[in-house]
Amino acid sequence: DVKVTQSSRYLVKRTGEKVFLECVQDMDHENMFWYRQDPGLGLRLIYFSYDVKMKEKGDIPEGYSVSREKKERFSLILESASTNQTSMYLCASSSLGLAGTDTQYFGPGTRLTVL
Amino acid sequence: SQQGEEDPQALSIQEGENATMNCSYKTSINNLQWYRQNSGRGLVHLILIRSNEREKHSGRLRVTLDTSKKSSSLLITASRAADTASYFCATRPGAGSYQLTFGKGTKLSVIP
Repeated sequence: DVKVTQSSRYLVKRTGEKVFLECVQDMDHENMFWYRQDPGLGLRLIYFSYDVKMKEKGDIPEGYSVSREKKERFSLILESASTNQTSMYLCASSSLGLAGTDTQYFGPGTRLTVL
Repeated sequence: SQQGEEDPQALSIQEGENATMNCSYKTSINNLQWYRQNSGRGLVHLILIRSNEREKHSGRLRVTLDTSKKSSSLLITASRAADTASYFCATRPGAGSYQLTFGKGTKLSVIP
């Protein structure tokens, strides 16, 4: 059974702290993604990676960075957390596969609160 | 940027009824996918339809795609209380793109 895990389900941090959100997939997928989900705004792509050490900015990369040192792990870093980064963060992975078969598999999400 | 837009934003039906959700998008696509999200959880893939397909079935799910109108619909037949969730459409813009663009979702409530 495919699995994407995220390091925490709930996280509370203070403004200015450096925050690491970890995501691990066991499906040998090439692509990994970080989204944030806010009420009324849906899912917005922060960053994605299509290979080890490769990263691409999504729609809202400001205030975030990412790291992908190993194929199975994709980390999202908030260099200096701010209250407007309070959100649900979702990690996903997908395989290159055949064209048109790029289902994304999601982790359970991390609900981050920045005080 | 948001591409898919689901309609309605919220839908409440009785158990046993059918639920229909619609998705409209703006640019040409390679495929369109539907996902489900139970409250406070991650998304789960339901069904994928390619741009050259018009209809697809999976169990109680039926998806249609009209590329001329840039729209898709998801029909859930004989709904159950367990179908209560938010449903999202996601579009893949082209064969060379790794990304999916998600809509804001339809929140479905199935009343027992």
